Amino acid sequence: QVQLVQSGAEVEEPEASVKVSCQASGYTFTNYYMHWVRQAPGQGLEWMGIINPSRGNTNYAQKFRGRITMTSDTSTSTVYMELSSLTSDDTAVYYCAREPIDACYFDYWGQGTLVTVSS
Amino acid sequence: QSALTQPASVSGSPGQSITISCTGTSSDVVSRNRVSWYQQHPGKAPKFIIYDVNKRPSGVSNRFSGSKSGNTASLTISGLQPEDEADYYCCSYAGSPYVFGTGTKVNVL
Repeated sequence: QVQLVQSGAEVEEPEASVKVSCQASGYTFTNYYMHWVRQAPGQGLEWMGIINPSRGNTNYAQKFRGRITMTSDTSTSTVYMELSSLTSDDTAVYYCAREPIDACYFDYWGQGTLVTVSS
Repeated sequence: QSALTQPASVSGSPGQSITISCTGTSSDVVSRNRVSWYQQHPGKAPKFIIYDVNKRPSGVSNRFSGSKSGNTASLTISGLQPEDEADYYCCSYAGSPYVFGTGTKVNVL
């Protein structure tokens, strides 16, 4: 069965960086895109960006460009999302979500990773 | 790209039908027919329930249906059940960015 398993909760200080992982299993890793979506406490969903794990090419939401990096490791079927220059506004649950290529929807989601930014 | 507009909350009694709207600020956002819907229970990851405006993934109850008129997409839940109490989000592919709706809390009275 398809599973997306994310790394554990993180606590970071302002101005630091955080790197969250998402390991996929149960399907051919390179046949699907992967997205990152975040949700601040009590707020809605916010799309952050997409990576094609096969080629490594990415597209980021304008809001995050310059401080977000998404990478993939096909040997371990894992995608990573690194966000730098953290502020308290980045406190949120971060989800990875799978997209069948060009389908424009997210059919499987990771369990979420809580990132707390606090001094 | 601005978020899609959804009502903050919708309520209904068990067995009733409710409809959640999802409106784009420009016809481009919803007009591409790439609208999907997600259900999210408290503390859980979102669950995919509708894609391409009105298609249901395998395993999703046929009590959930989607439609679209102009730049407004809608999700209808018929035969409302207690387990339907959750947050619901629409999402549209608007070219490069994906845009989520503001979210709707469904209350089952």
